[in-house]
Amino acid sequence: GDSVTQMEGPVTLSEEAFLTINCTYTATGYPSLFWYVQYPGEGLQLLLKATKADDKGSNKGFEATYRKETTSFHLEKGSVQVSDSAVYFCALYQFYFGTGTSLTVIP
Amino acid sequence: SAVISQKPSRDICQRGTSLTIQCQVDSQVTMMFWYRQQPGQSLTLIATANQGSEATYESGFVIDKFPISRPNLTFSTLTVSNMSPEDSSIYLCSVALAGPAYNEQFFGPGTRLTVL
Repeated sequence: GDSVTQMEGPVTLSEEAFLTINCTYTATGYPSLFWYVQYPGEGLQLLLKATKADDKGSNKGFEATYRKETTSFHLEKGSVQVSDSAVYFCALYQFYFGTGTSLTVIP
Repeated sequence: SAVISQKPSRDICQRGTSLTIQCQVDSQVTMMFWYRQQPGQSLTLIATANQGSEATYESGFVIDKFPISRPNLTFSTLTVSNMSPEDSSIYLCSVALAGPAYNEQFFGPGTRLTVL
C-alpha cells in the first residue's frame, strides 16, 4: 500500500548548518508530495509541495525535489536558523504522513 | 487559507468516559478531516466529515467509538467514546479548500488527550 518513510530524529544542528531530512515513499500512480512543519505550540502548516516528477518545491529557504527514479522527496536547507526548530512531516497524497522529524537548532 | 480552532486544547479523562472535541473553521469548507497522532507515530486519518452526509471512516476506526457530527460548513465534532488509556493521543482537525490547492490541508492546533 501507499506509505511514507521518513528519517528518524531528533536532529540537532548548529545555526547556519546544512539540513537534510530524508523522505522516501511507496505509491501507485503519481502522488503529490508535501512537507508540513509544526512549530512549538502551533498546528501543522504546509511548508512546500510538488505535484509531479522533477518538480522542486521551495519556501522559506527550504527545498525538496520530487525524484521519481528514487521515490524520494528529501527536505534541504542550506543554512538553518534557530527559528527553524520544529517538527517536520513528509506526506504523500493528502493522507499518508511520515512519523515526523524533530529539528532543534542551537545558536 | 483557513484558520482553525479546537476545543479543548487538552484534557485528562477517566477510563470509560467520553470526550467531545470541537473544531471551528473561519470559512465555509466542504472537506474536514479528523486525525490521531499517537506519541512517536505519524498522523493517522480517522475519518472524513462532509456536511450533509455521514462521515467516512478509515480502516480500524468505527462510528460507535468515534462518532462525528458535521452540522454545517464551519463546524465539526469528534467524540472519543468509552475511553481507555490506548486512546491517549493528540487529535487533529484539518480542512481542505476547493480549487487548485484542493490537496493542501490546514490543521488545527490539536487536542491533547490523556486517559487514566
